[in-house]
Amino acid sequence: NAGVMQNPRHLVRRRGQEARLRCSPMKGHSHVYWYRQLPEEGLKFMVYLQKENIIDESGMPKERFSAEFPKEGPSILRIQQVVRGDSAAYFCASFREWPNYGYTFGSGTRLTVV
Amino acid sequence: KNEVEQSPQNLTAQEGEFITINCSYSVGISALHWLQQHPGGGIVSLFMLSSGKKKHGRLIATINIQEKHSSLHITASHPRDSAVYICAVHGNQFYFGTGTSLTVIP
Repeated sequence: NAGVMQNPRHLVRRRGQEARLRCSPMKGHSHVYWYRQLPEEGLKFMVYLQKENIIDESGMPKERFSAEFPKEGPSILRIQQVVRGDSAAYFCASFREWPNYGYTFGSGTRLTVV
Repeated sequence: KNEVEQSPQNLTAQEGEFITINCSYSVGISALHWLQQHPGGGIVSLFMLSSGKKKHGRLIATINIQEKHSSLHITASHPRDSAVYICAVHGNQFYFGTGTSLTVIP
């Protein structure tokens, strides 16, 4: 039971590059949430996905950000043309509703844009 | 107005003191979480509640669904309890409180 795995733990990107953040949910979990924590701020919801479906992306910035959770493989949060303001810790969490409600956080990816 | 309000924002306690952190929310929820975040560290889920009370070691969490309120208690606090404690509610999406920064002094 490896828990929710996020990689990389730390990511440095230059302005204008793309950042790809990965989240492998716990075994048996088919729901993934992404949220971010800007420096000196609290956690903010970004997007909620189930396998092959985006359920709620109301917290995602309108441009440059996208997320997917394919049938096979990890969930990916993609940030195109990164800017300094994207520097933050990005966390994902996975959960399942049945048979036992369970919710587990990943350890986060710290993105630094230079 | 935030969907989740926590109090206090900052809390300093002497080792051994009993600590209470409060959380009020304004949305319908299926579950409430208490999270712990150490400086520079990841997030640990302490409790997930949908009703009543849960206890784990020196930590106790309670929730009153009618009043939309939850409390996290730490008995016999210890310096290693120093962290930010975050209340989060799970309704149609996740809403987070701004956190309570706890410092326990030896």
